[in-house]
Amino acid sequence: GAVVSQHPSRVICKSGTSVKIECRSLDFQATTMFWYRQFPKKSLMLMATSNEGSKATYEQGVEKDKFLINHASLTLSTLTVTSAHPEDSSFYICSAPLRTSEFSSYNEQFFGPGTRLTVL
Amino acid sequence: QKEVEQNSGPLSVPEGAIASLNCTYSDRGSQSFFWYRQYSGKSPELIMSIYSNGDKEDGRFTAQLNKASQYVSLLIRDSQPSDSATYLCAVRSGGSYIPTFGRGTSLIVHP
Repeated sequence: GAVVSQHPSRVICKSGTSVKIECRSLDFQATTMFWYRQFPKKSLMLMATSNEGSKATYEQGVEKDKFLINHASLTLSTLTVTSAHPEDSSFYICSAPLRTSEFSSYNEQFFGPGTRLTVL
Repeated sequence: QKEVEQNSGPLSVPEGAIASLNCTYSDRGSQSFFWYRQYSGKSPELIMSIYSNGDKEDGRFTAQLNKASQYVSLLIRDSQPSDSATYLCAVRSGGSYIPTFGRGTSLIVHP
């Protein structure tokens, strides 16, 4: 399948600092990428849709000023957790859709390996 | 509100048996259906996609879709301990990039 990378895979930071997470589509272009958060033993929670060349679309309840998203190119989206606090500790995962068939609705999501954030 | 329901499990099966995972969804306009496998501490990995009614087989995996009854299932034949993971069902409506995920079913395959 298609490859999506994330960096860093793990980060530990002090409360109040900002953390940037990068998501790259390695062998395809992605005008849209998605950012998810997952707490232990919980389901994936969509945080926002990252759109190349325009503003991200945030899900209800997600603070856009706290979770800054920048989709700088067709292969790179970044999520910055600003002024991180211990409650922001979680597993952050990005995904990118790829059309895998000539039928436009056939569109599969490929996930990056995730970034585990621990805020002390 | 689009909902995707899965039994959280755990579903425990012996090695070599068939594991059957089920998923129901609320949106009748759904057109794309996916099964992901997620190992503990890892991100989801796409293992099957299905778009039309009936069965789709890929190796030991078979996805079954019944749009009239609004359910999709995943069968794993000859289950192996390495299949032990959480299986996420995802459903996407036509015209949308964004799938709705179920909470996942934990599968345990014991030797």
